Amino acid sequence: GQNIDQPTEMTATEGAIVQINCTYQTSGFNGLFWYQQHAGEAPTFLSYNVLDGLEEKGRFSSFLSRSKGYSYLLLKELQMKDSASYLCAVMDSNYQLIWGAGTKLIIKP
Amino acid sequence: ETGVTQTPRHLVMGMTNKKSLKCEQHLGHNAMYWYKQSAKKPLELMFVYNFKEQTENNSVPSRFSPECPNSSHLFLHLHTLQPEDSALYLCASSQHRESGANVLTFGAGSRLTVL
Repeated sequence: GQNIDQPTEMTATEGAIVQINCTYQTSGFNGLFWYQQHAGEAPTFLSYNVLDGLEEKGRFSSFLSRSKGYSYLLLKELQMKDSASYLCAVMDSNYQLIWGAGTKLIIKP
Repeated sequence: ETGVTQTPRHLVMGMTNKKSLKCEQHLGHNAMYWYKQSAKKPLELMFVYNFKEQTENNSVPSRFSPECPNSSHLFLHLHTLQPEDSALYLCASSQHRESGANVLTFGAGSRLTVL
């Protein structure tokens, strides 16, 4: 079966760096997405990786290793507003999105 | 108004009621989706419409009935629901259905409670 694994919850300190990991096993691969979802709000797109390597977008970076079935989302200079759930999703060979259960990130002052 | 708008934001209904969820997008997207989000579970895809044609129905019980009258509007009709159907129902849209970089734009969701 197809599966996405990511930690259920993580805690980090304001100003610090946190890495949220995502491992996947899917039927084919057409890209990996990260979305951010604040409580009671819509998920919003953060990043898309289809080739191996690191994509940087301001304080957020996303890394992909297709051979290892692995990605991470790196958040730098954490701010209180980064407290949210982070959803990892992989598009398989049939262009179906396979979702992880999300990682709830708690930022402490 | 831009983005994806869902109404109502909150809905409480009994098991014998009939209600509908509405979704509207003004992004010019061709694909629209209904997802179910339950606590600590992955998003569950329910229905997909591509150019107003239903392309997927992921074994969803018949008590959920989708309708897509045009490319900007999507409805989810609800009847004789069960308490386990209580969840957040998310609508999303994207430019194309079958595309690698298929970025979804989500609405804020309709929180449904079935008593």
